[in-house]
Amino acid sequence: SAVISQKPSRDICQRGTSLTIQCQVDSQVTMMFWYRQQPGQSLTLIATANQGSEATYESGFVIDKFPISRPNLTFSTLTVSNMSPEDSSIYLCSVSSPGTGVAGANVLTFGAGSRLTVL
Amino acid sequence: SQKIEQNSEALNIQEGKTATLTCNYTNYSPAYLQWYRQDPGRGPVFLLLIRENEKEKRKERLKVTFDTTLKQSLFHITASQPADSATYLCALGSGAGSYQLTFGKGTKLSVIP
Repeated sequence: SAVISQKPSRDICQRGTSLTIQCQVDSQVTMMFWYRQQPGQSLTLIATANQGSEATYESGFVIDKFPISRPNLTFSTLTVSNMSPEDSSIYLCSVSSPGTGVAGANVLTFGAGSRLTVL
Repeated sequence: SQKIEQNSEALNIQEGKTATLTCNYTNYSPAYLQWYRQDPGRGPVFLLLIRENEKEKRKERLKVTFDTTLKQSLFHITASQPADSATYLCALGSGAGSYQLTFGKGTKLSVIP
């Protein structure tokens, strides 16, 4: 399966600032997914990033708050803009796992996550 | 709205026993269900997938059942070991070309030596 590198692994940020999280995959992938994992909550999909097109955002998430770039088939960034303490969370990048032998199902490989704390 | 519940936030079990974790869902007709393991500071790792037309799936010491009538999946770890201590997440997928997965909050399993 793909190997995903995310950075930063953690950061402490000031209210009102923005932070960009980078996600590098060791193979070319069509779709990359950005998830949020808030304390005590389930993984929630923020958006899907396809190379060459704008990201598709899930209900409750907007491009102005979470702009995403997808310049090529191995790299994506997620920016958390104008941060508030409510944005303190783990942000995870993921890709679909080909070769899992499970046709028609989306099996995910995740990065280690970026833990953001907003003061 | 769709809802997934995992039986408890935390489960403690003695080493060597069988751990059983539960995933219940409502307002959903999943085509398949997945289980992931998540260790502290790591992203989730895929363990098993079971389709709606399958009753049971096994992989080494892991066994998953899927009852679409009860809207429930059970995840068993036999002969549990301290190394099995982690948070286990269930995730439902609708299939039909959709990439959407809906995750539960997870159950933190602690296997006590």
